[in-house]
Amino acid sequence: DADVTQTPRNRITKTGKRIMLECSQTKGHDRMYWYRQDPGLGLRLIYYSFDVKDINKGEISDGYSVSRQAQAKFSLSLESAIPNQTALYFCATSDLVDTQYFGPGTRLTVL
Amino acid sequence: DAKTTQPTSMDCAEGRAANLPCNHSTISGNEYVYWYRQIHSQGPQYIIHGLKNNETNEMASLIITEDRKSSTLILPHATLRDTAVYYCIVRAGGTSYGKLTFGQGTILTVHP
Repeated sequence: DADVTQTPRNRITKTGKRIMLECSQTKGHDRMYWYRQDPGLGLRLIYYSFDVKDINKGEISDGYSVSRQAQAKFSLSLESAIPNQTALYFCATSDLVDTQYFGPGTRLTVL
Repeated sequence: DAKTTQPTSMDCAEGRAANLPCNHSTISGNEYVYWYRQIHSQGPQYIIHGLKNNETNEMASLIITEDRKSSTLILPHATLRDTAVYYCIVRAGGTSYGKLTFGQGTILTVHP
């Protein structure tokens, strides 16, 4: 969905490096989410935010942090990347009805 | 959120209707049925959702049984680009916690 963009789309990094994944949306939604997807495990929620001043941990937040810079921007950081954080990362937004719209994903490889 | 059961995989001929079933026998009165799909390695895409009435949009139709224990997603004229994993998700709508639980889904393969 072009209304939700993620940068970078692909990233290869080394263990111990700090990485930031960025998400922007033009849908005007207040709610934003970060998920990761691993083969065979489906999507798992990392963090979510219901407005600019609201940040909540999801089911697998350890090793990650987020920043909600504005209604339209939600960034995910890996302070010190490790190989088991290699995954496909998705950002999503939702309206009050909670229909979620996903970005195209960022493929992260940690060597 | 209620648990759902879907077939692991289904095939469909291009141009024919694809009917994807979902069982959600433990659904509660305030829970909606959502359908998403994921084309290989792309972000999941919302398709449709409903509470108890049948719903239709430009992508698909959703048929929910009267007892709400099962539903069927219908793609009326499947194309090759509809090949994807389809997820049926049951959850309360508009709740404060927006987590979506994606199960294994149904792998739909549309062939020429």
